[in-house]
Amino acid sequence: EIVLTQSPGTLSLSPGERATLSCRASQSVNSNYLAWYQQKPGQAPRLLIYGASSRATGIPDRFSGSGSGTDFTLTISRLEPEDFAVYYCQQYGSPPRMFGQGTKVEIK
Amino acid sequence: QVQLQESGPGLVKPSETLSLTCTVSGGSVISGSYYWTWIRQPPGKGLEYIGYSSYSGNTNYNPSLKSRVTISVDTSKNQFSLELRSVTAADTALYYCARDEGCSGDRCYRYFQYWGQGTLIAVSS
Repeated sequence: EIVLTQSPGTLSLSPGERATLSCRASQSVNSNYLAWYQQKPGQAPRLLIYGASSRATGIPDRFSGSGSGTDFTLTISRLEPEDFAVYYCQQYGSPPRMFGQGTKVEIK
Repeated sequence: QVQLQESGPGLVKPSETLSLTCTVSGGSVISGSYYWTWIRQPPGKGLEYIGYSSYSGNTNYNPSLKSRVTISVDTSKNQFSLELRSVTAADTALYYCARDEGCSGDRCYRYFQYWGQGTLIAVSS
């Protein structure tokens, strides 16, 4: 079982700032099969990134993913008001397809 | 466009069995190579993978829940189901069903583009 650890737990930033979220895996993720999701209150998660760096359909280009092996990063280049939410990483390279515990991006 | 809709009892008593159904519309549970997945989220907490089943019965479960969980696909009703036995208050959560992207060639894409809206289950006497 691969355990994903996200950091920080909470990120306090202002609109327009850059957000950098980390996801570290306990062992190498097969084929860099790592996804990122955004979740807002009262909503189901929304897929942002798959394959560590590919944006899902309709996702703005201010969202980017990078990394390989055990270390992955989600970057939001300039925070918009609608980007304040909780973000989760998920590995899908091997079952069980576990999630990280989440990073909350809040308005400073 | 695939749509998923969870349904369930809302309230379950401790030690009983929780049964949930996810109805699939806009697609068939037997098309493609999809894994039909359940995920839950306790109030105020993060996402927890429960497990999946393919329509042919290939299953995988979270090790922490494996002894209490069964996920199955009903092709006649175009639904898939979750059964969680011997529930406690710790099983109180918002339960989501989800579908991954299946496989293309020798590569499989097990991330979740399609989610239901979630159904809240409380465990209480």
